[in-house]
Amino acid sequence: AQSVSQHNHHVILSEAASLELGCNYSYGGTVNLFWYVQYPGQHLQLLLKYFSGDPLVKGIKGFEAEFIKSKFSFNLRKPSVQWSDTAEYFCAVNRPSGYSTLTFGKGTMLLVSP
Amino acid sequence: DADVTQTPRNRITKTGKRIMLECSQTKGHDRMYWYRQDPGLGLRLIYYSFDVKDINKGEISDGYSVSRQAQAKFSLSLESAIPNQTALYFCATSGTGGIGGDEQFFGPGTRLTVL
Repeated sequence: AQSVSQHNHHVILSEAASLELGCNYSYGGTVNLFWYVQYPGQHLQLLLKYFSGDPLVKGIKGFEAEFIKSKFSFNLRKPSVQWSDTAEYFCAVNRPSGYSTLTFGKGTMLLVSP
Repeated sequence: DADVTQTPRNRITKTGKRIMLECSQTKGHDRMYWYRQDPGLGLRLIYYSFDVKDINKGEISDGYSVSRQAQAKFSLSLESAIPNQTALYFCATSGTGGIGGDEQFFGPGTRLTVL
């Protein structure tokens, strides 16, 4: 079974700082990878996903993620964070078998101070 | 209107009570899921259903049961609620999986407190 590890449980940044959130997964085969965001008091929304092709994936709100197969990683990045990026971020993985469920990491809480 | 709705949004109940959480979707998706979210533990899958006649246990199904009444409806029941089932519960839906990925669409959540 696959698993997902998010290295940082809490991250605190000032506005305009650069962001990188780590995500590693444990599965040797082909995977689909996702980053979801949960703003305070809201449900999860998809930020971006990777399933094939260019390993650098661009998502909404200026976020991007890079799939590095050799490192089993899918780190999320943003060059300059805003206060409105304060949220919890979840990395998730599944296998493109058609019958695989999503496995989520434990999440990283990002607090951006103005 | 929201594509995935959950009722109730908040519920406080007592130990031993039977509770049902309901989920409805208008996305026309075959696949539906129930998760619970606990601080520091992320989302954990309770049950999932790939179509109306398919029900599968997830990572943490003990103490829960589900019913898939129709393509659009998937209910989660706690037969005898206990305090450690206090959590935020999310329903989600997705289309058919495969190489294109399985984006899941989430409902607004139900905050359940068991006293």
